[in-house]
Amino acid sequence: DGGITQSPKYLFRKEGQNVTLSCEQNLNHDAMYWYRQDPGQGLRLIYYSQIVNDFQKGDIAEGYSVSREKKESFPLTVTSAQKNPTAFYLCASRSRDRGQVDTEAFFGQGTRLTVV
Amino acid sequence: AQKVTQAQTEISVVEKEDVTLDCVYETRDTTYYLFWYKQPPSGELVFLIRRNSFDEQNEISGRYSWNFQKSTSSFNFTITASQVVDSAVYFCALSVGGSQGNLIFGKGTKLSVKP
Repeated sequence: DGGITQSPKYLFRKEGQNVTLSCEQNLNHDAMYWYRQDPGQGLRLIYYSQIVNDFQKGDIAEGYSVSREKKESFPLTVTSAQKNPTAFYLCASRSRDRGQVDTEAFFGQGTRLTVV
Repeated sequence: AQKVTQAQTEISVVEKEDVTLDCVYETRDTTYYLFWYKQPPSGELVFLIRRNSFDEQNEISGRYSWNFQKSTSSFNFTITASQVVDSAVYFCALSVGGSQGNLIFGKGTKLSVKP
């Protein structure tokens, strides 16, 4: 089945460690996104990528890094520079619509990161 | 700047009541799209509807209906005869600049439907 797979579902990080969250899609979508969700804060954009080997910072990129070496994959690294990383992380993708229509985004099931 | 406001943080209703979730958006673009998503306790966001700025027709899908009014920059969502399974967080989102751009989300409304 086509979709977006995020792994792991739960992740625990010790202070000072870098961790990488995986996001893979088999929908052949060009654009991919990472959002962070905190209680009562909605979804805030961390990074997004429109094509392979290119990505842009979102509203809260500090302390995070990404790569887009393959169309299907958009991993997010939470670095030790991110002072408050405990949150729910959602990955999404969207197709490029040649008719200039803004398509809907499809989301993964999320990764819940906790600092211990 | 673009912005989406969902003023209702939490709503609690009893099963079979009708409930309306409010969404107000801000954008200077003339071409934009609005979306509603549902987030059940499992966490994954489920797409419900997309509406473009040139189509102000209301839409009904089963117990769900959407009222888009450009004059008030609102895109409200009504659930008729609510059910316990409707309990979730609902997000309104705005997209401008094509599918390669950003989706801007409101903070969400948590709906609790009690039996």
